[in-house]
Amino acid sequence: DTEVTQTPKHLVMGMTNKKSLKCEQHMGHRAMYWYKQKAKKPPELMFVYSYEKLSINESVPSRFSPECPNSSLLNLHLHALQPEDSALYLCASSHLPGTATYEQYFGPGTRLTVT
Amino acid sequence: AQTVTQSQPEMSVQEAETVTLSCTYDTSESDYYLFWYKQPPSRQMILVIRQEAYKQQNATENRFSVNFQKAAKSFSLKISDSQLGDAAMYFCAYRSPNTGNQFYFGTGTSLTVIP
Repeated sequence: DTEVTQTPKHLVMGMTNKKSLKCEQHMGHRAMYWYKQKAKKPPELMFVYSYEKLSINESVPSRFSPECPNSSLLNLHLHALQPEDSALYLCASSHLPGTATYEQYFGPGTRLTVT
Repeated sequence: AQTVTQSQPEMSVQEAETVTLSCTYDTSESDYYLFWYKQPPSRQMILVIRQEAYKQQNATENRFSVNFQKAAKSFSLKISDSQLGDAAMYFCAYRSPNTGNQFYFGTGTSLTVIP
């Protein structure tokens, strides 16, 4: 199974709402990532978790709050977002360096619209 | 941080013809991993091909092959017998085995396949 799943596929939220994005993988990967992607642009790294601990936070505003409850799950909690936060949010996972396979696998993304 | 450069924002190719997408990168490391990812419009990012820097042999996956020139820090992707389904954004990516779990992406090349 080389699948990363994300829910929901689409999300429309107001600037005062609280919502969460979910990501799941069952490939035994111990690194999980959140990216933000605008149309026709590369993914922008937001957060990286290694062994369920936050290892990279790319100066993301506090209105985005990541959580890694276990090695298979990754959440992104959203609160008081701005219209400029509208984008495709991608989850990805990979093995840690030093393993035989080292590519990232991406989920299909959540298309977020902030109104 | 490593820099990955894709100098061709847009490319087009006739169906059944061959096209080459360019990628260069900047690094002082001797060991690293390189990838090409494909993202069709409104669809999932998928791995096309990967290359380990210590391997001199160029990677090949069916109609996709790379020209890896380590000294020149160049990693181009050749698509042979182009098909309509090859139309997508293509991203070149770099991963270091030493600097944790971060992947560095180029700015992408939008490939159009002309019937």
